[in-house]
Amino acid sequence: EDKVVQSPLSLVVHEGDTVTLNCSYEVTNFRSLLWYKQEKKAPTFLFMLTSSGIEKKSGRLSSILDKKELFSILNITATQTGDSAVYLCAVESGNTGKLIFGQGTTLQVKP
Amino acid sequence: DAGVIQSPRHEVTEMGQEVTLRCKPISGHDYLFWYRQTMMRGLELLIYFNNNVPIDDSGMPEDRFSAKMPNASFSTLKIQPSEPRDSAVYFCASSPTSGRAGTGELFFGEGSRLTVL
Repeated sequence: EDKVVQSPLSLVVHEGDTVTLNCSYEVTNFRSLLWYKQEKKAPTFLFMLTSSGIEKKSGRLSSILDKKELFSILNITATQTGDSAVYLCAVESGNTGKLIFGQGTTLQVKP
Repeated sequence: DAGVIQSPRHEVTEMGQEVTLRCKPISGHDYLFWYRQTMMRGLELLIYFNNNVPIDDSGMPEDRFSAKMPNASFSTLKIQPSEPRDSAVYFCASSPTSGRAGTGELFFGEGSRLTVL
């Protein structure tokens, strides 16, 4: 059965800290891995990764994929209270557009 | 574009009642997905459509759940009869894949929060 596992499930840090969120997967016919941020409402897209070793960056957020070891990490540097959210990892399986989500990591950034 | 539009935003109903959730995808998107989110199980895919045709409904929990997409701009998810364990946030999402399956990125609606008493 396809599965996506995120760790840790929750994390509390202080502003300015750097955090690393993990996502491992076992999925048939891997196509891409995506990260989403969910605050109070709907998930919003952060990154899509398809190739190993190529870092995607957006401001203080960056992500990288390792297709050999079947995992991805999401780094957030110099965290701010506005980074508090649930971060979801999802893997696209096969040529279907279907996404399988992990449980999410709840990040709380304290002032 | 207004994005994916879902209604109602909140629904409180009693066990045994029929519930209908509605979704309008982003114009031009040819994939539509229904997800359910709970604290215990996270985001679970219920069903998805490609060009209005159901492709995979293996995530639909049981026969009480049904989904339709009569045209490219409208989909419904129906629960009949509803049970307390159906309480969750139901998200609709669409994807701009334009004939090639799987660009990956989904655009989510705001969700419909269902409470079954």
